[in-house]
Amino acid sequence: NAGVMQNPRHLVRRRGQEARLRCSPMKGHSHVYWYRQLPEEGLKFMVYLQKENIIDESGMPKERFSAEFPKEGPSILRIQQVVRGDSAAYFCASSEQGNSPLHFGNGTRLTVT
Amino acid sequence: RKEVEQDPGPFNVPEGATVAFNCTYSNSASQSFFWYRQDCRKEPKLLMSVYSSGNEDGRFTAQLNRASQYISLLIRDSKLSDSATYLCAVNRPKNNNDMRFGAGTRLTVKP
Repeated sequence: NAGVMQNPRHLVRRRGQEARLRCSPMKGHSHVYWYRQLPEEGLKFMVYLQKENIIDESGMPKERFSAEFPKEGPSILRIQQVVRGDSAAYFCASSEQGNSPLHFGNGTRLTVT
Repeated sequence: RKEVEQDPGPFNVPEGATVAFNCTYSNSASQSFFWYRQDCRKEPKLLMSVYSSGNEDGRFTAQLNRASQYISLLIRDSKLSDSATYLCAVNRPKNNNDMRFGAGTRLTVKP
């Protein structure tokens, strides 16, 4: 049973480019969460999605950031016109139900140069 | 007040010591609680769920205190390999049941 799969593991973008981060949840999981983590800091909630629906995006900046979890395919976190401050580790997690434990992917480390 | 708060530490303990961390939460309606372990530059991994009556898994004991709204993690006979950051997670029933994490407590076990 494959775990949560994130790709790419490392992503380098120049300022102004777009970054697309992908997350395939564990089999049977329909809840997906995205978190951001800066070095030496905790996990910061960004967005919570279920299939085709955004449930809570209160942690996501209103500009440049968007997320989706289509009926088919992985969840995508999209960052447009990246800036240096976007450099961080982005973790995706999935769960079977809303209050079930979360299982994390390996993360995508975004570096903006 | 933050929704989920942890003492950031660091906790520096010798091998074999017993160490305990607390995690306070603000939402009295929360019902699901978990402890995670995160090693440097890696993803958080589920350590254990926290049940109302308390639960134990080897050297690790988790407890819930609803009246004071905190959960705790006790590690007995600390090993060098226990060095990591420990995160607590709490659900938010009134907010679609999503999960919030504390900032983590860093533990270093020294020989």
